[in-house]
Amino acid sequence: GENVEQHPSTLSVQEGDSAVIKCTYSDSASNYFPWYKQELGKRPQLIIDIRSNVGEKKDQRIAVTLNKTAKHFSLHITETQPEDSAVYFCAARANNLFFGTGTRLTVIP
Amino acid sequence: GAVVSQHPSWVICKSGTSVKIECRSLDFQATTMFWYRQFPKQSLMLMATSNEGSKATYEQGVEKDKFLINHASLTLSTLTVTSAHPEDSSFYICSAPRGRDEKLFFGSGTQLSVL
Repeated sequence: GENVEQHPSTLSVQEGDSAVIKCTYSDSASNYFPWYKQELGKRPQLIIDIRSNVGEKKDQRIAVTLNKTAKHFSLHITETQPEDSAVYFCAARANNLFFGTGTRLTVIP
Repeated sequence: GAVVSQHPSWVICKSGTSVKIECRSLDFQATTMFWYRQFPKQSLMLMATSNEGSKATYEQGVEKDKFLINHASLTLSTLTVTSAHPEDSSFYICSAPRGRDEKLFFGSGTQLSVL
């Protein structure tokens, strides 16, 4: 099955700086790559996604890039704010959705 | 607002008892729902895929006799943890794909504590 790796596991940035989280996947058949934000004890919330026919997607301060050849995709958050602090999960889907191990992002005011 | 409803949000039970968790899709039909388990500070691990009208598909290592899944209707899937043990204590969360592009929406999760 799919194996999704995510780095770093923890990330601390100063408010206003950018944050980058990277993921790799193993199944070349995966064609959908969502990113979720999860606050403690709450449900994961979809924040952005990208499909394999697109190389980059942006939504305000959030962007995702995909390199199909290298089988990796990244989340970029610019102008970080304290409310961006949460755990972020990448995921990849061929048939089922498999999650990365998560990144705990802390934005320091 | 939430598009997937999950109940209960938390439950405490004694060892040996069974616990049922419900997952409902709101305002849309879901022929498929997914059940995940999440340990503290860890990722979501897919346990099984719930299929309306047929048997659930379990991931490797998940005991189907222990984690009973019933997809009773196009809007309801249930997960029953049978003969619960303390090691079953975890955060269980369901999800359902919605729309033509099948974006996944999650329930609010159930924190199970087995004493």
